Amino acid sequence: DGGITQSPKYLFRKEGQNVTLSCEQNLNHDAMYWYRQDPGQGLRLIYYSQIVNDFQKGDIAEGYSVSREKKESFPLTVTSAQKNPTAFYLCASTDRAFSNQPQHFGDGTRLSIL
Amino acid sequence: QQQVKQSPQSLIVQKGGISIINCAYENTAFDYFPWYQQFPGKGPALLIAIRPDVSEKKEGRFTISFNKSAKQFSLHIMDSQPGDSATYFCAALDYGGATNKLIFGTGTLLAVQP
Repeated sequence: DGGITQSPKYLFRKEGQNVTLSCEQNLNHDAMYWYRQDPGQGLRLIYYSQIVNDFQKGDIAEGYSVSREKKESFPLTVTSAQKNPTAFYLCASTDRAFSNQPQHFGDGTRLSIL
Repeated sequence: QQQVKQSPQSLIVQKGGISIINCAYENTAFDYFPWYQQFPGKGPALLIAIRPDVSEKKEGRFTISFNKSAKQFSLHIMDSQPGDSATYFCAALDYGGATNKLIFGTGTLLAVQP
């Protein structure tokens, strides 16, 4: 079945540590996105990529980094500069960036601080 | 101007009743309005979407009502069932605009009591 796979489902970060969240899609979508979800704040855009080897900052990119070396993969690194990383992280993809095609979401990674 | 305001924050409905969730926006350039359904521990899934050239769209028990002049849209769930208990997000997209971002509301936690 086609879809988006996020791993791990749960992740714990120590102080000063960088952690990487995986996002893989087999939908052959060009565009991929990372969102952060906090209670009562909806989904906020961290980074997005419209095509391989290209990505742009979203609304809350500080403390995060991404890469897009392959069409099917869009990993997110939460760096030690992100002082409040505890949240539910969601990866999504569409055929074309920010079109009226529906965004397909993975099942998320919940990141907590040790 | 980029915000989408969603209400209520939480909603309790009896089985068989009508659930109504409201959203309002300011940016008249928004031209695509999807609703997403999210179950605990899962990513959001597209439920139903509408363009502003129609005032209503119905899919099964789910209906979007759209009031362009008031810049408001709402989700109605008829004959609500316990399986509808989830968090619902409205969103808006400026398709083809300079910003090209999907803006999410803050979510409504719906509980349908048996």
